[in-house]
Amino acid sequence: EDQVTQSPEALRLQEGESSSLNCSYTVSGLRGLFWYRQDPGKGPEFLFTLYSAGEEKEKERLKATLTKKESFLHITAPKPEDSATYLCAVLGPQAGTALIFGKGTTLSVSS
Amino acid sequence: GAVVSQHPSRVICKSGTSVKIECRSLDFQATTMFWYRQFPKQSLMLMATSNEGSKATYEQGVEKDKFLINHASLTLSTLTVTSAHPEDSSFYICSASRATEAFFGQGTRLTVV
Repeated sequence: EDQVTQSPEALRLQEGESSSLNCSYTVSGLRGLFWYRQDPGKGPEFLFTLYSAGEEKEKERLKATLTKKESFLHITAPKPEDSATYLCAVLGPQAGTALIFGKGTTLSVSS
Repeated sequence: GAVVSQHPSRVICKSGTSVKIECRSLDFQATTMFWYRQFPKQSLMLMATSNEGSKATYEQGVEKDKFLINHASLTLSTLTVTSAHPEDSSFYICSASRATEAFFGQGTRLTVV
């Protein structure tokens, strides 16, 4: 069964304290791994798509990496506005199927 | 990224009435849209897959007669919660797929009183 596990469930950081969020997955025929940011009461906001092991993508203070078993979302020198829930999702091999989501990591950055 | 618009963002309705939620892909055509439900501090739970011009595919445990989905065009899917009850109160989110990427609407907070 395809599965996505995110850790930790919650993470508290001081402003400027870098860290990483983990997303472990088991899926046959991965067509893509996605990272989203979700603020309370809002829909998920697309951050990155990674397609193959070794791929990396960056956007401002965020960097996403992918291996054959997991993905990391690295946050460098976070700011309070980075506080949100970060969701990881995978897309299986069959066209037209939905993303499989992890439960998310809730990040709180204090100044 | 692509834009998906969901309306309304909040709705309060009386028990027994029906509520329609719209999901539009504004700048691309989406042959497939998805409807999710999210409980507080939980991840997204897929309710159904909506394909343009055909019947929706519902996940196990989702009542198709309660949650009516219509995907009449390549840019619009609607979810109608029929005979709503307080237990249907939740956050409903749609997404539209473009190739292998999925973009989400802003979500609809439904409260049934």
